[in-house]
Amino acid sequence: RKEVEQDPGPFNVPEGATVAFNCTYSNSASQSFFWYRQDCRKEPKLLMSVYSSGNEDGRFTAQLNRASQYISLLIRDSKLSDSATYLCVALLYNFNKFYFGSGTKLNVKP
Amino acid sequence: NAGVMQNPRHLVRRRGQEARLRCSPMKGHSHVYWYRQLPEEGLKFMVYLQKENIIDESGMPKERFSAEFPKEGPSILRIQQVVRGDSAAYFCASSPSGQGEQFFGPGTRLTVL
Repeated sequence: RKEVEQDPGPFNVPEGATVAFNCTYSNSASQSFFWYRQDCRKEPKLLMSVYSSGNEDGRFTAQLNRASQYISLLIRDSKLSDSATYLCVALLYNFNKFYFGSGTKLNVKP
Repeated sequence: NAGVMQNPRHLVRRRGQEARLRCSPMKGHSHVYWYRQLPEEGLKFMVYLQKENIIDESGMPKERFSAEFPKEGPSILRIQQVVRGDSAAYFCASSPSGQGEQFFGPGTRLTVL
């Protein structure tokens, strides 16, 4: 079983839509979580850090559910520029291990 | 504050040659990670280093691949006797403490002919 699992998508949504991705992690000792976005043939860029129950930054909201071991990312009022692959990451402090999911692809269409 | 720098950005090698990829972490960051990404696939962890130490190389192939992060200078990922299957994007990331966010460089795209 992978440490971090994501639905690969693609999620095809119209501009202005609200879309949510879930990510599950297998190790309950995971302590911090991150969402990165990766554009085609570019490096991953940090989108949000999730240290407690959740985080909000403009149109983006991340939530953490430790009981069910999942993290979600909600994007409101989708823009064409939101089209990218979204990577979920879990961090185990004790081992300084970062576990990356394989990513969820989002296509926002006009 | 300059970001993570990697060079070269593109590298072409023939089978059997050596490839050297360099990574300069962000200023003040002493933790470096290397990842490989094949086309249409996710990031695969290779190795985690701190200055002069390899902390975790569990993702590194046992043969032909090596990494270092000397006291002075960039981190180097070295691939000896490259094969076509080594063609990929190699990303380096750095972190100030190993317990927070990682910041990625632009990557080196290796093509093996």
